[in-house]
Amino acid sequence: RKEVEQDPGPFNVPEGATVAFNCTYSNSASQSFFWYRQDCRKEPKLLMSVYSSGNEDGRFTAQLNRASQYISLLIRDSKLSDSATYLCVVNLLPTSGTYKYIFGTGTRLKVLA
Amino acid sequence: DVKVTQSSRYLVKRTGEKVFLECVQDMDHENMFWYRQDPGLGLRLIYFSYDVKMKEKGDIPEGYSVSREKKERFSLILESASTNQTSMYLCASSSNTGGGETQYFGPGTRLLVL
Repeated sequence: RKEVEQDPGPFNVPEGATVAFNCTYSNSASQSFFWYRQDCRKEPKLLMSVYSSGNEDGRFTAQLNRASQYISLLIRDSKLSDSATYLCVVNLLPTSGTYKYIFGTGTRLKVLA
Repeated sequence: DVKVTQSSRYLVKRTGEKVFLECVQDMDHENMFWYRQDPGLGLRLIYFSYDVKMKEKGDIPEGYSVSREKKERFSLILESASTNQTSMYLCASSSNTGGGETQYFGPGTRLLVL
């Protein structure tokens, strides 16, 4: 089983739609969680961190469910510019003492006009 | 703004050549990372460093080495390039304050080995 799993998509949604992605992780010792956005042929950029209490940034809402070991990203009122790949990232503290980041393979979103 | 720069955006090399990829960050971050990204496989960690002259193997270190002589610079070396090392290489950095900090990525280097 992969350490971090995401549905690769693509999710094709019309402008204005609400879309949600889930990401599951296997290591219960995971410490921190993030969503990154990656545009085609560009580097990943932080979209938002995911806090235990859930957090919202404009049209984006992230939630963490430690009991079921998944995180989610909800995008409301989708824009064409939201088209990208969304990477789920989990951070855990290995024995070397340095945090290790585990990346999902990403979920591709296409917002259609 | 954090800035992570990589020496080349595109690189074409021949099999057997020694290849140097350079990464520089300007935020005084302790941690630096080298990943490769391939379709369907996501980002895979090659090496990372949490201090000057320190290095740790990631998940796929074979065929690679690294050097961190200065805090701001982390180099990835392909000792003898092979065609299966054709990939997108991404450098990242993060701070060490409290752990679990955000990673900042450079623009990537697309390497083609012929």
